[in-house]
Amino acid sequence: DIQMTQSPSSLSASVGDRVTITCRASQSISNYLNWYQHKPGKAPKPLIYGASSLQSGVPSRFSGSGSGTDFTLTISSLQPEDFATYYCQQSYSLPLTFGGGTKVEIK
Amino acid sequence: EVQLLESGGGLIQPGGSLRLSCVASGFTFSNHAMSWVRQAPGKGLEWVSAISGSGDSTYYADSVKGRFTISRDNSKNTLFLQMDSLRAEDTAVYYCARDMVAARSRASNFDYWGQGTLVTVSS
Repeated sequence: DIQMTQSPSSLSASVGDRVTITCRASQSISNYLNWYQHKPGKAPKPLIYGASSLQSGVPSRFSGSGSGTDFTLTISSLQPEDFATYYCQQSYSLPLTFGGGTKVEIK
Repeated sequence: EVQLLESGGGLIQPGGSLRLSCVASGFTFSNHAMSWVRQAPGKGLEWVSAISGSGDSTYYADSVKGRFTISRDNSKNTLFLQMDSLRAEDTAVYYCARDMVAARSRASNFDYWGQGTLVTVSS
């Protein structure tokens, strides 16, 4: 199974900050990497697919990059509605696996 | 508008069975593979099972293989998850998720999710 490791597991940031979350795969997954945002009691929201393609309707302050084993999700200017937990997920091979999540909290 | 509505969760004793349903609307159901993803209390997301748009191909996580069965009725736009021999560690919110593609491929990703249904396995 491909292991997905996210860092940090949590972070505190202020509105307007630039935030970067890292996801590392245990083997190369090319660009088959997706990102999701999850708030308690809500459905997860897709943000990025194919490592860098923005899902429809997602604000442009979100961006993704990387290939192979190392990937990043960047929020260029953190907004109040962005406080949530973020997950990466590989679609390269079964079983599909998620990272452990990064909780973004208000400083 | 794409909508996914799960139902069927509840409290069940260890060893028991439960059947989850996910009714889809707002899109051509058979054109999309579907998955179940769960989140145990205080834990992250875990993929459980997937099925192709036609229903011909199914896939399972090792943790549920042999106990859970995924299926779909494309005439009723409904996805199912039959869960047998339930264990305490199956306690979780179960989400159904739509895949962007019709069949399992590396390009797959979940572009719509339901709100989830809670399954609690406890005596």
